[in-house]
Amino acid sequence: DAGVIQSPRHEVTEMGQEVTLRCKPISGHNSLFWYRQTMMRGLELLIYFNNNVPIDDSGMPEDRFSAKMPNASFSTLKIQPSEPRDSAVYFCASRAGTGNTEAFFGQGTRLTVV
Amino acid sequence: SQELEQSPQSLIVQEGKNLTINCTSSKTLYGLYWYKQKYGEGLIFLMMLQKGGEEKSHEKITAKLDEKKQQSSLHITASQPSHAGIYLCGAPRDRWNDMRFGAGTRLTVKP
Repeated sequence: DAGVIQSPRHEVTEMGQEVTLRCKPISGHNSLFWYRQTMMRGLELLIYFNNNVPIDDSGMPEDRFSAKMPNASFSTLKIQPSEPRDSAVYFCASRAGTGNTEAFFGQGTRLTVV
Repeated sequence: SQELEQSPQSLIVQEGKNLTINCTSSKTLYGLYWYKQKYGEGLIFLMMLQKGGEEKSHEKITAKLDEKKQQSSLHITASQPSHAGIYLCGAPRDRWNDMRFGAGTRLTVKP
């Protein structure tokens, strides 16, 4: 398996623009997580899905952030409009089942908003 | 506030030395995970601990879980430059779902 695939790896955009980050989880995994990592705040859980259904989005910082999982093999995280403080590395992770199984992480998308 | 506190925040050791990283939870632990991250890369799973008193080893890395104290320790024996990176502990907030992480411990191993 190719693992969790995220695209793009790097994104530079201007403030106010819409940004869409993409994630393809490992086939057969039914839990998917979006994280944001910064030096100041570490690795923060933004939202997670179970069987394509959003379970907890309390970590989504603002209404500018939205996430979807239209099917088991694809998820998006959208920021509209983007702001410089959104600059971070965004990770997607997937896991088989719930509870005590390990999550596998993608390589991340480094977002820079100028 | 962080539910998972890691200590130390950073650590610099000489190659060959042993070291320990700690992770303490403010809430009941329903399992604990250790991951390693190299700069610019994703997190790599190291090991998962589920039961109090459980201890697991992978090569020169050993992790233990003290369920009563709600803490885990990760011990590296005879450290090597390849051990350098950020070590993160993670735990589900409740019994079934999600996974949240500590702030991480940045390890530097000097040759």
